Amino acid sequence: GAGVSQSPSNKVTEKGKDVELRCDPISGHTALYWYRQSLGQGLEFLIYFQGNSAPDKSGLPSDRFSAERTGGSVSTLTIQRTQQEDSAVYLCASSYRGQGYTFGSGTRLTVV
Amino acid sequence: AQSVTQLDSQVPVFEEAPVELRCNYSSSVSVYLFWYVQYPNQGLQLLLKYLSGSTLVESINGFEAEFNKSQTSFHLRKPSVHISDTAEYFCAVSPQSNTGKLIFGQGTTLQVKP
Repeated sequence: GAGVSQSPSNKVTEKGKDVELRCDPISGHTALYWYRQSLGQGLEFLIYFQGNSAPDKSGLPSDRFSAERTGGSVSTLTIQRTQQEDSAVYLCASSYRGQGYTFGSGTRLTVV
Repeated sequence: AQSVTQLDSQVPVFEEAPVELRCNYSSSVSVYLFWYVQYPNQGLQLLLKYLSGSTLVESINGFEAEFNKSQTSFHLRKPSVHISDTAEYFCAVSPQSNTGKLIFGQGTTLQVKP
């Protein structure tokens, strides 16, 4: 597609439920990144994919967080047993050769 | 590893005044440098980037940034700001490889007053 697409744009979930956030990168971009933006924390790196493998998952906050990428394209970020501190905007970006990163509009997650 | 420091969390300025948003970075390898802008309730947009060549880069809306390797800085400037420039600005770096992740500074909120 023309840009990075993320869905849903907003998600409200109850504490303890699992959620899945989806990212559809720009066609041909081999690298895909997940970030989290929350008040007072700035932009936190979560995980990076090159193709379908994740050489850097150093930013995942806990084992409740996982992500996968299939077909070198769509990626899903899963948060299990959500907690209130997981509330944030989750941003996805894709890149070709690290010279330009295009961000999606994000998924605003609210855990109540 | 890389790190980015944005020296000012908030910069208030009057309309039509000049502004400079400061960014310093630390890295043991060569990096690419970026400025992103986030308008209220919107996503991140690339403002400008330095990859190679001329150390002075410009955006289409009048911002410019200069890469200073000796001072490891990439400050963002605009000679005359508008109300519409009110936003949060993020400086970021990535290592010069095709596998590098973006490392962001904490952001600077530019508040343009009439």
